[in-house]
Amino acid sequence: EDKVVQSPLSLVVHEGDTVTLNCSYEVTNFRSLLWYKQEKKAPTFLFMLTSSGIEKKSGRLSSILDKKELFSILNITATQTGDSAVYLCAGENSGGSNYKLTFGKGTLLTVNP
Amino acid sequence: DTGVSQDPRHKITKRGQNVTFRCDPISEHNRLYWYRQTLGQGPEFLTYFQNEAQLEKSRLLSDRFSAERPKGSFSTLEIQRTEQGDSAMYLCASSLAVSRATQYFGPGTRLTVL
Repeated sequence: EDKVVQSPLSLVVHEGDTVTLNCSYEVTNFRSLLWYKQEKKAPTFLFMLTSSGIEKKSGRLSSILDKKELFSILNITATQTGDSAVYLCAGENSGGSNYKLTFGKGTLLTVNP
Repeated sequence: DTGVSQDPRHKITKRGQNVTFRCDPISEHNRLYWYRQTLGQGPEFLTYFQNEAQLEKSRLLSDRFSAERPKGSFSTLEIQRTEQGDSAMYLCASSLAVSRATQYFGPGTRLTVL
């Protein structure tokens, strides 16, 4: 059975801090690793990672995948209160004709002013 | 708004009643997914359609659950004889039918079974 584990489960920081969120996965027929941000509603897409060692960046957020160690990290620099959310990591299984995502439990990030 | 839409956004029902939720995917997306999310957990896969064909169902989808996508556009998820354990957020997502397509999520339907 596919499994995704995120750590820490929750994190409290002050504005301006840098945070690193971790995601390890065991997904058969692995195709990609995705990060989503969830703020009391639907998850919103952040990154899709398919290749090892290539960093993806979007503003203050960046993410990288290690397919050998089955691991990904999401970095947020100069955090702001608007970054407070649950960050979800998901592994995509592309076995057969299915492209289902297996999600971790998420990391609840709280950024205090 | 051209994103994924779901209706209703909230549903409160009594145990034993049937409920039906609707999902309208992004118009050009032919893959559609249903997930369920409970408090403190990530979304869990329920079922997947490519066009009108239901290609996979999770073991989580008991025989009280049924999903349809009759014309390959919108989808419905019905839960019969609801139980308190069915209380959750039901999320719909859609994607293009190409390799490495991103799944985009709707706002969800929050179901409370009393």
